[in-house]
Amino acid sequence: SQKIEQNSEALNIQEGKTATLTCNYTNYSPAYLQWYRQDPGRGPVFLLLIRENEKEKRKERLKVTFDTTLKQSLFHITASQPADSATYLCALDEGGSTLGRLYFGRGTQLTVWP
Amino acid sequence: DTAVSQTPKYLVTQMGNDKSIKCEQNLGHDTMYWYKQDSKKFLKIMFSYNNKELIINETVPNRFSPKSPDKAHLNLHINSLELGDSAVYFCASSHTSVGARYEQYFGPGTRLTVT
Repeated sequence: SQKIEQNSEALNIQEGKTATLTCNYTNYSPAYLQWYRQDPGRGPVFLLLIRENEKEKRKERLKVTFDTTLKQSLFHITASQPADSATYLCALDEGGSTLGRLYFGRGTQLTVWP
Repeated sequence: DTAVSQTPKYLVTQMGNDKSIKCEQNLGHDTMYWYKQDSKKFLKIMFSYNNKELIINETVPNRFSPKSPDKAHLNLHINSLELGDSAVYFCASSHTSVGARYEQYFGPGTRLTVT
């Protein structure tokens, strides 16, 4: 099964800077990769989905890249704000017939300080 | 309007008891899921139902039994609760189709504490 590693459990950056979170996987490349945000005491909230044949996806201040050679996805938040403080989870979807099965990483806790 | 709702939000019970968690979604999705998030925040899928049919059944003790009475509801019944069952249980839903993928919508979670 896939092993998913997200960079350091915690990342602290100053407001206005770009936060870069890393998601690495060990086995075959997933067909899809998703990023979620989770706030304390709440369920994960979907942010972005990227397919294996896509290099990059953007949504407002968010950007996701997917490098199947490096087996890595990077998640960027530009012009970060204290409100961006949360845990960010990457999730791999192997595709195929197993509809909806996601393998989640343990998440990176991002803190943006003023 | 709440998209994915779960009841109860908190559940404290003793070892050996049987308990149920209910989930409802009003998004018109055809697939629903149960996830378990442990104390280290690791989120792992347990079950998935597509149009009331069980399609994902991970390595979960058979003390856990999901039931989907219709596409909008998915319940989780747990027999003979153990200390290790303490966790946050999330329900989620999504569209599904072969060849496409969609985001999952999560409920607020049920924090189960077994004493």
